[in-house]
Amino acid sequence: DIQLTQSPASLSASPDEIVTITCQASQDIGSSLLWYQQKPGKSPQLLIYSATILADGVPSRFSGSRSGTQYSLKISRLQVEDIGTYYCLQVSSSPDTFGAGTKLELK
Amino acid sequence: EVQLVESGGVLVQPGRSMKLSCAASGFTFSSFPMAWVRQAPTKGLEWVATISTSGGSTYYRDSVKGRFTISRDNAKSTLYLQMDSLRSEDTATYYCTTGLWWGQGVMVTVSS
Repeated sequence: DIQLTQSPASLSASPDEIVTITCQASQDIGSSLLWYQQKPGKSPQLLIYSATILADGVPSRFSGSRSGTQYSLKISRLQVEDIGTYYCLQVSSSPDTFGAGTKLELK
Repeated sequence: EVQLVESGGVLVQPGRSMKLSCAASGFTFSSFPMAWVRQAPTKGLEWVATISTSGGSTYYRDSVKGRFTISRDNAKSTLYLQMDSLRSEDTATYYCTTGLWWGQGVMVTVSS
């Protein structure tokens, strides 16, 4: 199975700060990576698909990038409403696997 | 408006069975592979199973293989998850999803 090592596990940041979350895949998954945001008590919301493509309606301060088997989610200017837990998901090969999550809090 | 509405969650004893349903609307259900994803209390997301558009191909995580069955009825725009031989570790909120759209989730508690 493909493993996704997501870091950091938790993160505290101030409004307008730049935030970066990474996922390291255990093998080549190409661009088959998605990023989700989940707020407490809510369903996950798709942010990024195909590693770098912003989902419809997602603010442009979110962006995804890839370098080899390392994938990053960047929030260019953190807003209060961005607080929640972020997950990466690989869909390159079954079983699909999620990263362990990054809990983002306000400083 | 796209909607995915799960139902069927309840408290069940270990070893018993339960069937979840997910009613879809607002999109062409038959055109999308569908999946079940679960989340144990205070834990992360865990993929459970995926089914192809026709239902001809199914995929499962190892821990549910042979116990869970994913199926779909494209005429009714409904996704199902038959869960047999339930264990305490299956306790979770279960979501149906296309990847883009997600249901609100349904809680399944396995406990004696």
